[in-house]
Amino acid sequence: EVQLVESGGGLVQPGGSLRLSCAASGFTLYRYSMNWVRQAPGKGLEWVSHIVASTTTTYYADSVKGRFTISRDNAKNSLYLQTNSLRAEDTAVYYCARAFNFDYWGQGTLVTVSS
Amino acid sequence: QSALTQPASVSGSPGQSITISCTGTSSDVGGYNYVSWYQQRPGKAPKLIIYDVSKRPSGVSNRFSGSKSGNTASLTISGLQAEDEADYYCSSYTARSTWVFGGGTKLTVL
Repeated sequence: EVQLVESGGGLVQPGGSLRLSCAASGFTLYRYSMNWVRQAPGKGLEWVSHIVASTTTTYYADSVKGRFTISRDNAKNSLYLQTNSLRAEDTAVYYCARAFNFDYWGQGTLVTVSS
Repeated sequence: QSALTQPASVSGSPGQSITISCTGTSSDVGGYNYVSWYQQRPGKAPKLIIYDVSKRPSGVSNRFSGSKSGNTASLTISGLQAEDEADYYCSSYTARSTWVFGGGTKLTVL
């Protein structure tokens, strides 16, 4: 059974950093492209970042480019999102989602940026 | 990248059919057959219900169908049921090798 479990969210001050994790089970993460998608409270979905299968090629939304970094650890079958220089508008539930079609999603981890 | 345009809300009675539109540009919806639709119930993660414009993942009811014409994609739900009440989002791959979501549509079953 495919499962994705996010962790690492929390309360952080503006300008701070957090590393979000997404632990995958039931499939080999390296063989799939992976995404991070976020949803601000009461708002819609926003695509954040993508890492191409079996490569280190990455893509980012303009809103996070230069501040966020997506990566994966093949040995741990895990996906990460390093978030730096956080702003109030980054407050959201962050989901990891598998593949080009976003066919499986985790339950999300809440990031709150506030002083 | 601007969000794809969806109606904020739609409604229908049980047994009826409804259609939700998703309008983009030739750089996203119109340029690629990589349009997907997701159902999101309150407090839950989104669930993929349509991919590649009109394909259904295993286990998704055949009451859900997708189509595309030009820069507009559509999701049709036939035989509306109370359990279909949820938020629905479209997404598309774009010419910048990124993805864009629609603003979401709240479906109310009357």
